[in-house]
Amino acid sequence: DTAVSQTPKYLVTQMGNDKSIKCEQNLGHDTMYWYKQDSKKFLKIMFSYNNKELIINETVPNRFSPKSPDKAHLNLHINSLELGDSAVYFCASSQDGAGGALNIQYFGAGTRLSVL
Amino acid sequence: SQKIEQNSEALNIQEGKTATLTCNYTNYSPAYLQWYRQDPGRGPVFLLLIRENEKEKRKERLKVTFDTTLKQSLFHITASQPADSATYLCALHEGGFKTIFGAGTRLFVKA
Repeated sequence: DTAVSQTPKYLVTQMGNDKSIKCEQNLGHDTMYWYKQDSKKFLKIMFSYNNKELIINETVPNRFSPKSPDKAHLNLHINSLELGDSAVYFCASSQDGAGGALNIQYFGAGTRLSVL
Repeated sequence: SQKIEQNSEALNIQEGKTATLTCNYTNYSPAYLQWYRQDPGRGPVFLLLIRENEKEKRKERLKVTFDTTLKQSLFHITASQPADSATYLCALHEGGFKTIFGAGTRLFVKA
């Protein structure tokens, strides 16, 4: 039973399209995240949510809009896709956002987005 | 802001040897530091957490050290095996709900 699952695994689309990635965790965690991993493998935080509330928005273009319908789900919608959006997007969760063991991150398998 | 530096060059070692990976950070010493493993096409998986008041932490063949004077953590894999080949990421909690990750070091263990 997958702890953090995200769909789809692969997404190939044209520039200018709108797409969504879905994420669900069954760990009972309060905090969820979206990360972007670029071609240099650098994992960078985009958003974090705690109990459905947006806590961190790391200077991400407003074409990216996260939505958390409940604390087990965090979706990412991207409008007007650009070539530079091509990357692997990871969803993660943690017990909460505080320090120590509570902040250990559990990641999904990633969504590889290719914008043509 | 805090930056993490990990050796961007891959580390190649022979099976059975000890692999040592380095994580350096630039600013304040974090309260704790985490290490993750990432295999190709998969998400990172948590391995170990070490607190600032702990000099060393062990788990099976893994050992992590934390030197706040040097602003450095070392990650060791003893008796390395080809199955240990992966990218290893260092991560710091920056406070609030933000964790920052290093770019990772790729480890290749040859049989």
